[in-house]
Amino acid sequence: AQSVTQLDSQVPVFEEAPVELRCNYSSSVSVYLFWYVQYPNQGLQLLLKYLSGSTLVKGINGFEAEFNKSQTSFHLRKPSVHISDTAEYFCAVSPIRNFNKFYFGSGTKLNVKP
Amino acid sequence: DGGITQSPKYLFRKEGQNVTLSCEQNLNHDAMYWYRQDPGQGLRLIYYSQIVNDFQKGDIAEGYSVSREKKESFPLTVTSAQKNPTAFYLCASKGDGSYEQYFGPGTRLTVT
Repeated sequence: AQSVTQLDSQVPVFEEAPVELRCNYSSSVSVYLFWYVQYPNQGLQLLLKYLSGSTLVKGINGFEAEFNKSQTSFHLRKPSVHISDTAEYFCAVSPIRNFNKFYFGSGTKLNVKP
Repeated sequence: DGGITQSPKYLFRKEGQNVTLSCEQNLNHDAMYWYRQDPGQGLRLIYYSQIVNDFQKGDIAEGYSVSREKKESFPLTVTSAQKNPTAFYLCASKGDGSYEQYFGPGTRLTVT
């Protein structure tokens, strides 16, 4: 079975400060990893994904994430946030052998303050 | 433009009525999904379909039904048996050659 834990339900941060959104997962099989962003009353948009290879992946809007297999983590980072980054962020995993199934975390609301 | 459409954006119903939410995609994707989103709970899978005329229950299928008669369409019916139907419903699809799911804009259902 797979599960995804996003420890922080809300993260307040000032504009231009760095931010890290944490994601840990549990899985008995190898997985692909994803981060999605959701703006209010909208669908989810893919930020980035890790499939294989380099453990540091870069995504859209200046975000990046690092896959750490030993710690089963996939934390999302941005060196300098903007007001427009205010949104909810979801971490997700998908088993490599059954990548039609996705398992989502409960989400982290990022609130960027001026 | 390719994408997923969900209609309507907002839907209001009286308790005891069945309601059908629309999901259409023109991405030529085989797999389609329905999720329910409640505050603080993330996304929970209701039903998914990997091919036309076939679908599987997700984690919270009770009180919901689906059909997949066409590749591009995957409507979700919220029946009167669903005890707490008020939520934000998201439809998604995934192509055979891709690893990620693509999401529609969602439908917010309010039942009073």
